[in-house]
Amino acid sequence: DVKVTQSSRYLVKRTGEKVFLECVQDMDHENMFWYRQDPGLGLRLIYFSYDVKMKEKGDIPEGYSVSREKKERFSLILESASTNQTSMYLCASSLKGEQYFGPGTRLTVT
Amino acid sequence: GENVEQHPSTLSVQEGDSAVIKCTYSDSASNYFPWYKQELGKRPQLIIDIRSNVGEKKDQRIAVTLNKTAKHFSLHITETQPEDSAVYFCAARAFGNEKLTFGTGTRLTIIP
Repeated sequence: DVKVTQSSRYLVKRTGEKVFLECVQDMDHENMFWYRQDPGLGLRLIYFSYDVKMKEKGDIPEGYSVSREKKERFSLILESASTNQTSMYLCASSLKGEQYFGPGTRLTVT
Repeated sequence: GENVEQHPSTLSVQEGDSAVIKCTYSDSASNYFPWYKQELGKRPQLIIDIRSNVGEKKDQRIAVTLNKTAKHFSLHITETQPEDSAVYFCAARAFGNEKLTFGTGTRLTIIP
């Protein structure tokens, strides 16, 4: 079974803080993704990575950056958190086709 | 880029009846169309997918149909049960691209 884990289920941060969300997969998948999920907006792609140290912008990259130093780990970074980044963040990985999701991190920025 | 529209946003059906969720896509190069189910508080999970070389695929009570000419695909759930209550997402992906574009989701409620 593919396992995708995320560092926190719930996180509360203050405006202006630097926030790190981490995702780890154990199936040697090449591709990893970060989405945010908001009611009525579905799953929107922030960034994805198809190899170590490679990254590509998704549909809503503004205010975010990512890091992939090891194949199994993909980090999402909010350089200066803002209240409009309060959301559910989902990580996923894939080899070919099916994406496997992590449990999500509900981030609240106050 | 790809744009995927999904309807309806909410759907309530009586237990035992059928449910249909529809999606349209814009990029004619898309050739892979998965459907994900997300139960309350859980992660999205793939329930069925279809590739562009087939028009229909079934797996027990769920089926997906694809009309490439019209650029739309649909999820059909027959004999609905309470455990079918969830949010369903359609998605589309172009050949050679690992990136999925998701629809906005349909909240399906099965009324006992």
